Amino acid sequence: GIQVEQSPPDLILQEGANSTLRCNFSDSVNNLQWFHQNPWGQLINLFYIPSGTKQNGRLSATTVATERYSLLYISSSQTTDSGVYFCAVTVDGDDKIIFGKGTRLHILP
Amino acid sequence: EPEVTQTPSHQVTQMGQEVILRCVPISNHLYFYWYRQILGQKVEFLVSFYNNEISEKSEIFDDQFSVERPDGSNFTLKIRSTKLEDSAMYFCASSEFITGGPNYGYTFGSGTRLTVV
Repeated sequence: GIQVEQSPPDLILQEGANSTLRCNFSDSVNNLQWFHQNPWGQLINLFYIPSGTKQNGRLSATTVATERYSLLYISSSQTTDSGVYFCAVTVDGDDKIIFGKGTRLHILP
Repeated sequence: EPEVTQTPSHQVTQMGQEVILRCVPISNHLYFYWYRQILGQKVEFLVSFYNNEISEKSEIFDDQFSVERPDGSNFTLKIRSTKLEDSAMYFCASSEFITGGPNYGYTFGSGTRLTVV
């Protein structure tokens, strides 16, 4: 099956810093989503981005499907950005979504 | 924005007991899913459900588990004879699964944290 690798596994930053989270996948995908899991365990959908670039406030994401990777950018980090960020993909002919292991982000005040 | 609703948010049960986790998917979605996340680990697929039947299940989803859509809105996961290792966060999700549609994506509920003691 498809492999979804996220890096770095852990990231500690000061408030106000910028960060880039990466997701590599081993096969062609027809769906890619970024989720934020907050400290209460809720999975919050950030972006549905099988290709191209999207922006939502301080967050933006880019997926280069031909090179099998996606990047999540967080600018001017806030403590509320802390949590685990998951990349998840689906492949053609399969309706389930497969998660990477996540990047745990700690934003220090 | 439409939501997937899960109840209860937290359930504590004794080992060997049966639990039913409940979900109300988004009303116009066609595909429904259950996922599991053991504390500190990644989110794992359990089962997908379409047109009133299971479309795919993982190795985790053995005879201990079952799913049902008892009416037009609810989607349930039943875990029989719970074990300590069933303790996890269980997420329900739904999807339109219309390729190329503007809202093609998965929406997850807030999860049910199951603790087996």
